[in-house]
Amino acid sequence: AQKITQTQPGMFVQEKEAVTLDCTYDTSDPSYGLFWYKQPSSGEMIFLIYQGSYDQQNATEGRYSLNFQKARKSANLVISASHLGDSAMYFCAMREFYGNEKLTFGTGTRLTIIP
Amino acid sequence: NAGVTQTPKFQVLKTGQSMTLQCAQDMNHNSMYWYRQDPGMGLRLIYYSASEGTTDKGEVPNGYNVSRLNKREFSLRLESAAPSQTSVYFCASSERAAGYNEQFFGPGTRLTVL
Repeated sequence: AQKITQTQPGMFVQEKEAVTLDCTYDTSDPSYGLFWYKQPSSGEMIFLIYQGSYDQQNATEGRYSLNFQKARKSANLVISASHLGDSAMYFCAMREFYGNEKLTFGTGTRLTIIP
Repeated sequence: NAGVTQTPKFQVLKTGQSMTLQCAQDMNHNSMYWYRQDPGMGLRLIYYSASEGTTDKGEVPNGYNVSRLNKREFSLRLESAAPSQTSVYFCASSERAAGYNEQFFGPGTRLTVL
């Protein structure tokens, strides 16, 4: 069974600092994908970054990078140089590639950037 | 290019009433999904449609039915609403069913059942 764990219900970070949001996962499928989504207070889900289980390098998208440690089954999101607009809920999600359409989400981390 | 649209944005129902949530996408995606989001929880999959003409149950299908009307539209029906169905409902779509593909989400429908 799939499972995503986000152990930080809330985080407060000073503006311009880097922040790491934790995500661990559990799956027996060798082929899977890991996603991070941002949900601002307006409610929409915004895709941030993706990491495939066979990708050799950590994914990066602008200020977002994914610290993928396959042996530890962790996929932490790193946001560099945070700004006020980064305040939002952040969800980690996983999808197995074969025979399962389910995108399983963690419970999220509420990030608040302090000016 | 509107992406994924959902109607209505807000709805209040009384217990036992029925309603249909509408979802449409204009990205020519094959797969469509319905999720619900409850406070303190991530999104949970209700139903999905890997392609036009097919639907399958997700994690929490009880109390819901779906219809994949055509490639663009995927509706979610509550036949007899219950307070436990108070939630925010998201529709999503993706290009293909298997492998990597980003899911694009609609803006959500906030449903309250009294």
